[in-house]
Amino acid sequence: NAGVTQTPKFQVLKTGQSMTLQCAQDMNHEYMSWYRQDPGMGLRLIHYSVGAGITDQGEVPNGYNVSRSTTEDFPLRLLSAAPSQTSVYFCASSARPGGGYTFGSGTRLTVV
Amino acid sequence: GIQVEQSPPDLILQEGANSTLRCNFSDSVNNLQWFHQNPWGQLINLFYIPSGTKQNGRLSATTVATERYSLLYISSSQTTDSGVYFCAVGDAGGTSYGKLTFGQGTILTVHP
Repeated sequence: NAGVTQTPKFQVLKTGQSMTLQCAQDMNHEYMSWYRQDPGMGLRLIHYSVGAGITDQGEVPNGYNVSRSTTEDFPLRLLSAAPSQTSVYFCASSARPGGGYTFGSGTRLTVV
Repeated sequence: GIQVEQSPPDLILQEGANSTLRCNFSDSVNNLQWFHQNPWGQLINLFYIPSGTKQNGRLSATTVATERYSLLYISSSQTTDSGVYFCAVGDAGGTSYGKLTFGQGTILTVHP
């Protein structure tokens, strides 16, 4: 099915562990982004990319790294997990920066 | 940065009722989208509507960019309309590159 695929759907990490959240889209969209959703905080932008090889920081980038080696994939890396990173993470893509977004189904991450 | 306010924060309806959700934003935008987050957490794009009016079945949306607000109309509500409705905007100024700022959402509950 066409769309944005996120893996895993659920993950529990111990403090200090690292991991990569995967995001892939098959719509040939240039623009991809990562958001986190926390109760009472809405969705906040972590990092975004306007094309392969180009990434930039969003509103809450600390503790996260991204890379964009292909148009299809935009992984999010947690370098050293902290309880404050417990959240639901969403990946989104659009054909162009000002266009309509398609969201993945989310990854629910718990850091203990 | 741009501020997004949604009202009301909560809305409870009986099936069949109509409703209007409002989104106010603090600055000029080049991107405005409405999303529905269903009870399973999936974010569905309802409308991409930086200006003008659009309709899709029982849902319609109007954005008056010059007055900095958008409205989402739900007619003949159904229990499947329950969830959280988010308005998200992209700042027209500077190098926003399609970054969206989300409102806090309106929680809609439709009772049978």
